[in-house]
Amino acid sequence: GDSVTQMEGPVTLSEEAFLTINCTYTATGYPSLFWYVQYPGEGLQLLLKATKADDKGSNKGFEATYRKETTSFHLEKGSVQVSDSAVYFCALSERRGGYQKVTFGTGTKLQVIP
Amino acid sequence: NAGVTQTPKFQVLKTGQSMTLQCAQDMNHNSMYWYRQDPGMGLRLIYYSASEGTTDKGEVPNGYNVSRLNKREFSLRLESAAPSQTSVYFCASSLQGAFTDTQYFGPGTRLTVL
Repeated sequence: GDSVTQMEGPVTLSEEAFLTINCTYTATGYPSLFWYVQYPGEGLQLLLKATKADDKGSNKGFEATYRKETTSFHLEKGSVQVSDSAVYFCALSERRGGYQKVTFGTGTKLQVIP
Repeated sequence: NAGVTQTPKFQVLKTGQSMTLQCAQDMNHNSMYWYRQDPGMGLRLIYYSASEGTTDKGEVPNGYNVSRLNKREFSLRLESAAPSQTSVYFCASSLQGAFTDTQYFGPGTRLTVL
């Protein structure tokens, strides 16, 4: 079945450091790929997405490229801020049996210290 | 636009008690979902409603029932709560349930079953 594997956390970085959170996936078809972010006490919200191979999603300085050959969708940001502290979820989405089936990774907690 | 709203925010139940979690969206979305979030496990789909008038089981439906009351509202019912149902519950919606769709999440209900 489908699966998403992302790096274990927590990840602790100093402000202005470079961020990479690795995500790889297994899917039978050609899914869309997402990064969602969850701030403390809130629901998940979309950070960025890519719907086909070689697409790059970007938002708020974060980027991720859909790499079909390596089945990866790694999240990067050049300079993190304290306000980026949150839990990040990689997810893949396929249409299955009449509905949108989303498979989430287990989440990576990021803590940015001043 | 309020987006996706959920009530209550917190709830404590005793084993065997029942309760209904309410969810509403004001984005005119066709598809709605209920997930549970447990530590180290990502989000798992309980039930979904691909469109008004239809509901179906997801990955972990046992012990739950749902009602799609109208296009806006999708409720989740626990008939006889068990400690294994202690979790954070998220409602989500998407426009058509296409594999490219973004899912929009509510703020969550934190449920404890004693």
